[in-house]
Amino acid sequence: AQTVTQSQPEMSVQEAETVTLSCTYDTSENNYYLFWYKQPPSRQMILVIRQEAYKQQNATENRFSVNFQKAAKSFSLKISDSQLGDTAMYFCAFMKAGGTSYGKLTFGQGTILTVHP
Amino acid sequence: NAGVTQTPKFRVLKTGQSMTLLCAQDMNHEYMYWYRQDPGMGLRLIHYSVGEGTTAKGEVPDGYNVSRLKKQNFLLGLESAAPSQTSVYFCASSYSGGYGYTFGSGTRLTVV
Repeated sequence: AQTVTQSQPEMSVQEAETVTLSCTYDTSENNYYLFWYKQPPSRQMILVIRQEAYKQQNATENRFSVNFQKAAKSFSLKISDSQLGDTAMYFCAFMKAGGTSYGKLTFGQGTILTVHP
Repeated sequence: NAGVTQTPKFRVLKTGQSMTLLCAQDMNHEYMYWYRQDPGMGLRLIHYSVGEGTTAKGEVPDGYNVSRLKKQNFLLGLESAAPSQTSVYFCASSYSGGYGYTFGSGTRLTVV
């Protein structure tokens, strides 16, 4: 079974600064996907960024980028130019690739990020 | 608007009562999921479905049942609610899992 660990229960950052959220995972699979989801106070789950394990290039989406280290089983999220609207709970998640996975996601415990003005 | 709709958004139950949570999606997705979110534990998979008429157990299925009689609907039932089932429940759907999920807005359930 896969496990996902987010070791930072809470983080804070000043507006316009950069923050990095950590995520490690444990798996024996070679092909998989990794995700970061954002959950603002509204409770809605929003996909932030997605990484395919077979791609060495780190994914980026505007101010959000990841540092994917496959050998180390690490998948950190960097938020640049932090904005007040980035205040949320962030979840790291793992999905095994292939038909038998049926798209099941395994989530980490979450990191609460607070952006201060 | 296209997406995943969960009803109800909030509910309070007494121990031993039953209820059904409804999830509906209009994106023609094959895969649907029910998760529960508890503090410090992230989201955990309760049950899932890979198509109309199919269901399967996830990580924490005990005390819950599901049905998917129509492709667009996925129902989660609690036959005899317990305080341990106090949680926020999320439904999600996916066309093919590798692109992630579309989530509903969640149901906050309190069992007293």
